[in-house]
Amino acid sequence: QKEVEQDPGPLSVPEGAIVSLNCTYSNSAFQYFMWYRQYSRKGPELLMYTYSSGNKEDGRFTAQVDKSSKYISLFIRDSQPSDSATYLCAMTAGGSYIPTFGRGTSLIVHP
Amino acid sequence: GAVVSQHPSRVICKSGTSVKIECRSLDFQATTMFWYRQFPKQSLMLMATSNEGSKATYEQGVEKDKFLINHASLTLSTLTVTSAHPEDSSFYICSARAQSSGGFDYGYTFGSGTRLTVV
Repeated sequence: QKEVEQDPGPLSVPEGAIVSLNCTYSNSAFQYFMWYRQYSRKGPELLMYTYSSGNKEDGRFTAQVDKSSKYISLFIRDSQPSDSATYLCAMTAGGSYIPTFGRGTSLIVHP
Repeated sequence: GAVVSQHPSRVICKSGTSVKIECRSLDFQATTMFWYRQFPKQSLMLMATSNEGSKATYEQGVEKDKFLINHASLTLSTLTVTSAHPEDSSFYICSARAQSSGGFDYGYTFGSGTRLTVV
């Protein structure tokens, strides 16, 4: 079993839909959770950075962490075609540890 | 914010030649930088951790003599793919953890990546 599991998709949704992207993990030591967006042939861009359990909201994006279930989510409200990209989750046990990445979920938002 | 600049964005080279990729932290100092490789529709694979002023730490299975890493300053790390072969063709991305002088943590910031094609 991989440390971080993420469905590669693709996930295709109509413009305006609410998107839910998820990752599960097995290492209970993970405390810092990140979501990155990667456009084709570009480097990942940090979207959200959360610590421990709970929710964090930033504009149309909400990151949710459930440590008891070892499950994290990224919600995108009012999705736009420009949101079409690959979304990678990443997590680490602490500041000095290198993040472990999921394989990314490809999201397609069609007009 | 924290910016990591990576050059070149794309390079095509002949088999047997060497290619150097640069990674710079533009507005922060990075004592540690990371080099990743990414295959199509795959996640990031950590190749090595680059440490300023000391030897890089390579992940298992990564040939250190083939992928030379130099981190000579707090803002620059380079990856040189030596004697490149077609199987080295891939997307290479560098990363650094950025923290401001005031202690704000920007998290891990990535360069824009380098697409290497060996012909």
